[in-house]
Amino acid sequence: GNSVTQMEGPVTLSEEAFLTINCTYTATGYPSLFWYVQYPGEGLQLLLKATKADDKGSNKGFEATYRKETTSFHLEKGSVQVSDSAVYFCALNQAGTALIFGKGTTLSVSS
Amino acid sequence: DAMVIQNPRYQVTQFGKPVTLSCSQTLNHNVMYWYQQKSSQAPKLLFHYYDKDFNNEADTPDNFQSRRPNTSFCFLDIRSPGLGDAAMYLCATSRKRLAGGRAYEQYFGPGTRLTVT
Repeated sequence: GNSVTQMEGPVTLSEEAFLTINCTYTATGYPSLFWYVQYPGEGLQLLLKATKADDKGSNKGFEATYRKETTSFHLEKGSVQVSDSAVYFCALNQAGTALIFGKGTTLSVSS
Repeated sequence: DAMVIQNPRYQVTQFGKPVTLSCSQTLNHNVMYWYQQKSSQAPKLLFHYYDKDFNNEADTPDNFQSRRPNTSFCFLDIRSPGLGDAAMYLCATSRKRLAGGRAYEQYFGPGTRLTVT
């Protein structure tokens, strides 16, 4: 079945450091891929998306590229801020129903 | 701004006492979802509606029910809450996927934190 694997956290960085959170997926066919962010006590916010191979999603300085050959969708940001501290979920959706989530990666950024 | 609204944000109920959580949306999306998220875990889909068509996940307990009286509103009813039902409940919406098309993104509400005493 479909699944998402993302790197375990927590990830602890200093402000202005480079961020990578790895995400790989298993799916038949061509799923849509997403990154969601969850701040403490809040719901999930869509951070970025990609719907086909080689698409690059970007938002608020975050980027991720849909790599079909490596079945990956790694999240990157060139310079993190304290306000980026949150839990990040990689997810896929193929059938148009349930989002299949990774386990989430907690990012903690200190000043 | 178009959005997904959940009420209440925090709900405390007693063991076995029925509780209803509500969700409304101004996005005019066909599809509405209810997810359960326990502490430090990913959200897990309970059920969803394609318009008025109800779709239950195979492992969703019978204790959980849902109603969608119109496009804008959806309710989650927990008939007899147990301690294990304490969680964040997230409502989400999306456009309906076209046949052969890509799945659309889902937009989430802020969630309702349910405590069972």
